Amino acid sequence: GDSVTQMEGPVTLSEEAFLTINCTYTATGYPSLFWYVQYPGEGLQLLLKATKADDKGSNKGFEATYRKETTSFHLEKGSVQVSDSAVYFCALDTGRRALTFGSGTRLQVQP
Amino acid sequence: SAVISQKPSRDICQRGTSLTIQCQVDSQVTMMFWYRQQPGQSLTLIATANQGSEATYESGFVIDKFPISRPNLTFSTLTVSNMSPEDSSIYLCSVAQGASEQYFGPGTRLTVT
Repeated sequence: GDSVTQMEGPVTLSEEAFLTINCTYTATGYPSLFWYVQYPGEGLQLLLKATKADDKGSNKGFEATYRKETTSFHLEKGSVQVSDSAVYFCALDTGRRALTFGSGTRLQVQP
Repeated sequence: SAVISQKPSRDICQRGTSLTIQCQVDSQVTMMFWYRQQPGQSLTLIATANQGSEATYESGFVIDKFPISRPNLTFSTLTVSNMSPEDSSIYLCSVAQGASEQYFGPGTRLTVT
């Protein structure tokens, strides 16, 4: 079946550090890929998406590139802020519009 | 993007009772979903609720335990029946919009004692 594997957290970084959160997937066909973010005490928000191979999704300084050859969709940000502290979920949709989520990665950014 | 509200936002319930969670969307949508997020865990799809048809449940979830209604294109309910402490979770509804986006409600935090 479909699955998403994320690097385990928590990830602790200093402000302005470079961020990478790894995400790999297993799916039939060509899924759409997503990153969602859950800030403390808030609901789940769509951060960015990519719907086909080599697409790059970007939002709020975050980027992720859909790599079909490595079945990956790693999340990156060049300079994190304290306000980026949250839980990040990688997810996929194989076309039936329901999402399969990874386990989530907690990011803690220290000033 | 769709604006989604859920009621109640949280509840504490006794074992053996049932709770119905409401999900309201500010626009008409075809596909709605219900997810569960157990403490410290990721989200797991419970069922897909399309208006005019029976809900489709994922493996491990059954209609007797999680009955779902979808009376129109802007509203759905999920009932958690005969609750046990293992049902303590955040329950979220979501809607599919556009080519691929999916938007989530704020969630209902359920504690079963």
